[in-house]
Amino acid sequence: KAGVTQTPRYLIKTRGQQVTLSCSPISGHRSVSWYQQTPGQGLQFLFEYFSETQRNKGNFPGRFSGRQFSNSRSEMNVSTLELGDSALYLCASSLASRVSSYNEQFFGPGTRLTVL
Amino acid sequence: AQKVTQAQTEISVVEKEDVTLDCVYETRDTTYYLFWYKQPPSGELVFLIRRNSFDEQNEISGRYSWNFQKSTSSFNFTITASQVVDSAVYFCALSAQGQLTFGSGTQLTVLP
Repeated sequence: KAGVTQTPRYLIKTRGQQVTLSCSPISGHRSVSWYQQTPGQGLQFLFEYFSETQRNKGNFPGRFSGRQFSNSRSEMNVSTLELGDSALYLCASSLASRVSSYNEQFFGPGTRLTVL
Repeated sequence: AQKVTQAQTEISVVEKEDVTLDCVYETRDTTYYLFWYKQPPSGELVFLIRRNSFDEQNEISGRYSWNFQKSTSSFNFTITASQVVDSAVYFCALSAQGQLTFGSGTQLTVLP
């Protein structure tokens, strides 16, 4: 079974630009979560999508948004990039149904975003 | 609010030594789940174990073992006879109300 895939793996943008990251979950997984990993803040939850609906959201500004398609693939968008948005963005998928807390999440390799 | 504390930032051991990684958590939920993940230099988080709040049985899987103690809100992870390939960052995480909260991670270096 193929794992979680994320594209692109590396991205360089400048301040003020916007960026879209893509995540394809493991086949059969309907829940997709996004995380930001930085040396200073560690791993922080951004949001979770299930059946094309945002089910949970972390404490990030509105510049961070996402969506999920009918095939469970998900995209994350960051608008008006700031230097502090430089991070590893990780996507995770799980089998989660109604209650998402107990399913282990399977992570992709991440997208390394650098904002100059 | 949920919180996970991994007080050990970095640990170095020599191959074949045993090492324990500490994890202390805080939550007001009575139903929650605890996880350990490993992040090797490649960056991909690898799932190691899941425990629910009602199951305090310790678990052993090969060289790995986990000690869950609800009374002290701890979920410690021990690697027996460590190997160089165990070198990675290890994260403890708590899941409740649909959100996964990670600790800050422990960088484990196993020296040959």
